[in-house]
Formats: sequence, C-alpha cells, structure tokens
Amino acid sequence: ELKVEQNPLFLSMQEGKNYTIYCNYSTTSDRLYWYRQDPGKSLESLFVLLSNGAVKQEGRLMASLDTKARLSTLHITAAVHDLSATYFCAVVNNNAGNMLTFGGGTRLMVKP
Amino acid sequence: DGGITQSPKYLFRKEGQNVTLSCEQNLNHDAMYWYRQDPGQGLRLIYYSQIVNDFQKGDIAEGYSVSREKKESFPLTVTSAQKNPTAFYLCASSRTSLVGSYNEQFFGPGTRLTVL
Repeated sequence: ELKVEQNPLFLSMQEGKNYTIYCNYSTTSDRLYWYRQDPGKSLESLFVLLSNGAVKQEGRLMASLDTKARLSTLHITAAVHDLSATYFCAVVNNNAGNMLTFGGGTRLMVKP
Repeated sequence: DGGITQSPKYLFRKEGQNVTLSCEQNLNHDAMYWYRQDPGQGLRLIYYSQIVNDFQKGDIAEGYSVSREKKESFPLTVTSAQKNPTAFYLCASSRTSLVGSYNEQFFGPGTRLTVL
C-alpha cells in the first residue's frame, strides 16, 4: 500500500524567510504532483515532477524529486503573505491503476 | 471556456436521505474521479471512471454510488448508508488514467456537503 507523508503539517513563518516542505512516499513511483489549496477552494496544480532529479521553479517556489530516496521537497524562498495556503503532494501509484495518493497537506501561514 | 463544474456548491442533507452531486467537464477527458476531503486532511479517492459506462471503487467507496453514462458527466450519489458524509467533495478529470501515461488531474471547485 502506497503511503504519502508530508511534514510539517503546519508551518508558520515570517515574510522574507526560507523554508522547505517534505513529502516522503513508501513505494516506487515515477510521478509526483504538488498542489495548492486556498481555504474553502479547490486544488490548483503547481508542479509535475516526472523523473529522478527533476527540479521545477515558479516564482518563490521550487520543487524537486529524488525517486531513489522516495522524497520530494517544496522549497519556499523569501516567503510572502500571498503564499499562505495548504500545500499537498500527490504520488502516482503505479500498482493501482495509476491513481493518485495524497499526503495529508502542509498548512502554511506567512505572517507580515 | 473549458473546465470542470460541480453543483451545488453547498448541500445540506437530512439523515437518511440520498443526495446526488453533479460533476461535468468539457475538456474531452476520458477519466473522471471523485474525492472526499475531511477538515485538515488530504484527499481520499471514492470512485473513478476510465471510460464511459465503466467505473471502479476507490479507497472509500462504501456508502457511495456513481454512474458514467456520458463522457462529460460523472455524478456521485451519497446514500443513507454513508454514516458520516459531512465533507468537501472534489471531482477531477484527466485525459486518461492508463498506466504509463501523463495523466495530470484537474479539479472542479468542489461541493461542501453537510448532514443536518
């Protein structure tokens, strides 16, 4: 059974600071997604990581994937208040019809 | 304007009632999915459909039913057998769900169901 764990579950940080969210998963997968969710809203796709060593950046967010370690990171650089949201990673389960298994989410609060 | 629509946005149900949540997509996607999200939690898969007239149970299908009579539509019925249905329900679609394919899922705006 594929399990996906994110940490931390909750993160409060000051504007301008850097931090990293971690996503660990338990079985082999060749694809990982990062999503953003604002309160009461749907999920917005941020990144798709397709191979070992993949790195993608958009603004102050950078995501990377290490398939050997079964680890993805989402790094936040010089945080701003607008980044406050809940971030989810989701891993493709190659052994279950290509379905996504989601982590529990990391709720990020950036204080002015 | 392509996308996924869900209705209603908010739904209130009395205990013992069945209710149906609508999900429509005009992206010409073959695969559609239903997820449940509880407060402070991640998403859990209820049902998915890879093609018209076919669907499969996900991790938490008990108390739910679906149909896929048209490519564009994948309604979810929450039956009275679902003991704790209060949650946020999200519908998603992807071009395909076939193994090895690039199947990014796109999400609808969600329906918040509350049992009174």
